[in-house]
Amino acid sequence: ETGVTQTPRHLVMGMTNKKSLKCEQHLGHNAMYWYKQSAKKPLELMFVYSLEERVENNSVPSRFSPECPNSSHLFLHLHTLQPEDSALYLCASSQDTRGSSYNEQFFGPGTRLTVL
Amino acid sequence: AQSVTQPDIHITVSEGASLELRCNYSYGATPYLFWYVQSPGQGLQLLLKYFSGDTLVQGIKGFEAEFKRSQSSFNLRKPSVHWSDAAEYFCAVEYGNKLVFGAGTILRVKS
Repeated sequence: ETGVTQTPRHLVMGMTNKKSLKCEQHLGHNAMYWYKQSAKKPLELMFVYSLEERVENNSVPSRFSPECPNSSHLFLHLHTLQPEDSALYLCASSQDTRGSSYNEQFFGPGTRLTVL
Repeated sequence: AQSVTQPDIHITVSEGASLELRCNYSYGATPYLFWYVQSPGQGLQLLLKYFSGDTLVQGIKGFEAEFKRSQSSFNLRKPSVHWSDAAEYFCAVEYGNKLVFGAGTILRVKS
């Protein structure tokens, strides 16, 4: 498998559930990202990991908990979400996080999350 | 704060017609600029990028974009649109270790 993959592609959960989103990159990159894409809003950067260390946390509520066990895998653990958290969650990876010509981000297809 | 503005939420063009999608950015230094495309149910795919040098950059699928520093713009163009180009297009500027995205422009292609 190539590129950036995300599972599941669709997820429906209640507000009391606990679920996890998974992202895997097969590109040998060192940096991984979580974005939230809501209708009619710009993509919002949630978290950035570089070499498995979190380097960015954009004031995301604690009901979202990221985990990066290695440079190829990134998880987003979800618990006690709200209906307004329903969105498309996109994962991306890049060679590294520094601003350079090598910082092209490659995106996965996303997980469409619906919170009831 | 760094920002990206895409003034057109929706654009409809006829198949075979030319296309220009507008993008303006706010950033103090020389920007790294990107255009991404997102088809329904898919992630974002990079169309083209500008880092330095020639201000007219060529991308995939016949797209090009021109960086104009004086206008803080990075407009995307295509001389002849195909029905398969219908999608949402995002302009982005790189700031530090972040990509700041515009709100997107939805392109509709009519036959």
